[in-house]
Amino acid sequence: AQKITQTQPGMFVQEKEAVTLDCTYDTSDQSYGLFWYKQPSSGEMIFLIYQGSYDEQNATEGRYSLNFQKARKSANLVISASQLGDSAMYFCAMRGLSGSARQLTFGSGTQLTVLP
Amino acid sequence: NAGVTQTPKFQVLKTGQSMTLQCAQDMNHEYMSWYRQDPGMGLRLIHYSVGAGITDQGEVPNGYNVSRSTTEDFPLRLLSAAPSQTSVYFCASSYSTSGLAGGGPQETQYFGPGTRLLVL
Repeated sequence: AQKITQTQPGMFVQEKEAVTLDCTYDTSDQSYGLFWYKQPSSGEMIFLIYQGSYDEQNATEGRYSLNFQKARKSANLVISASQLGDSAMYFCAMRGLSGSARQLTFGSGTQLTVLP
Repeated sequence: NAGVTQTPKFQVLKTGQSMTLQCAQDMNHEYMSWYRQDPGMGLRLIHYSVGAGITDQGEVPNGYNVSRSTTEDFPLRLLSAAPSQTSVYFCASSYSTSGLAGGGPQETQYFGPGTRLLVL
């Protein structure tokens, strides 16, 4: 079974500073994908970034980067130069190899608040 | 492209009533899934489909039925609504890259806007 753990229910960051949102995972699959989604107060789920388990380089998408440490089973999201619009709930998720595991398993989320 | 669409956006039901949540996608995605999101929790998989005519259960399937007669549509049926089914329901879809280990970024799931369901 797959499991995602996000230990930070809430985080605060000052505008223009960087912030790291923690995510650890557990799986017996050798190959898997890791995802981060953003959910603003309006409720939609917005895909941010993807990291494959065999990718040697950390994924980056604009101000988002994923700090992937395979041996530690962690996939932390780093947001650089935070903006007020980054205030939202952030979910880490993973996808395994087969069956229902090939759909997404989500963590409980981190509520990020960016302070002006 | 409209992406993934869901109707209705909001619904109130009485205990014991049945209803169907609609989901459609116009991206020719093979995979479609239903998730529910409860307060303070992440999304949990209800049912999923890997192609027309093929469905399977996720983590929390009880009380829900699905069918997939076309690639585009994946309705979720509540058979006899209960207050425990009060939740926000998300439909998602993605390409299938069967045979590619781990699926790759092409299997990124894209979500509909959600349906808020209140069961009294």
